[in-house]
Amino acid sequence: EVQLVESGGGLVQPGGSLRLSCAASGFTFSDHYMDWVRQAPGKGLEWVGRTRNKANSYTTEYAASVKGRFTISRDDSKNSLYLQMNSLKTEDTAVYYCARGTNGEDDAFDIWGQGTMVTVSS
Amino acid sequence: SYVLTQPPSVSVAPGKTARITCGGNNIGSKSVHWYQQKPGQAPVLVIYYDSDRPSGIPERFSGSNSGNTATLTISRVEAGDEADYYCQVWDSSSIFGGGTKLTVL
Repeated sequence: EVQLVESGGGLVQPGGSLRLSCAASGFTFSDHYMDWVRQAPGKGLEWVGRTRNKANSYTTEYAASVKGRFTISRDDSKNSLYLQMNSLKTEDTAVYYCARGTNGEDDAFDIWGQGTMVTVSS
Repeated sequence: SYVLTQPPSVSVAPGKTARITCGGNNIGSKSVHWYQQKPGQAPVLVIYYDSDRPSGIPERFSGSNSGNTATLTISRVEAGDEADYYCQVWDSSSIFGGGTKLTVL
């Protein structure tokens, strides 16, 4: 079964850090672009960023709202995707989803994890 | 930055056709993807590259894209189609529309 499972969410104070993980199974993880998408409570979807695959040098892209604070990485040997979040703000409070890209620069996200909740509050 | 505009809500009676629009400047030149999200669940891809349907998505779901408007059409609407629907494009970054809540009357 193709599956993505996020972990690592929780409560963190403003200015703090948190690292999210996404474990992939059921497909060749190393072939795919992988993305993070978040959803604030009661709000819509917001793309956070992506990492391309090895064939595309693992390059990354970020939304302007998180650039310089968040870092996306991956470990293909562990079929895992990561999101390192630093200098967290209250507006970063959201459910964070990892999603599989279909390998084009304008691709869709065809598989999503169940999400992990991040709450930034004092 | 590129903006996608969706109506906040659409209501339809069971068995009828629902049309959810996604407006953007010359969106017809971009590839549009559509997601369905039910309460408490992760989004599910229902249409990709304007009009393609992933395996497992009913043929009742279709999409089109031209000019400044992309449209998700759901034929013979069922109670189980009640959900939030989001359109998505790429324009240097990934952009989502604000979402449309589909209510089945």
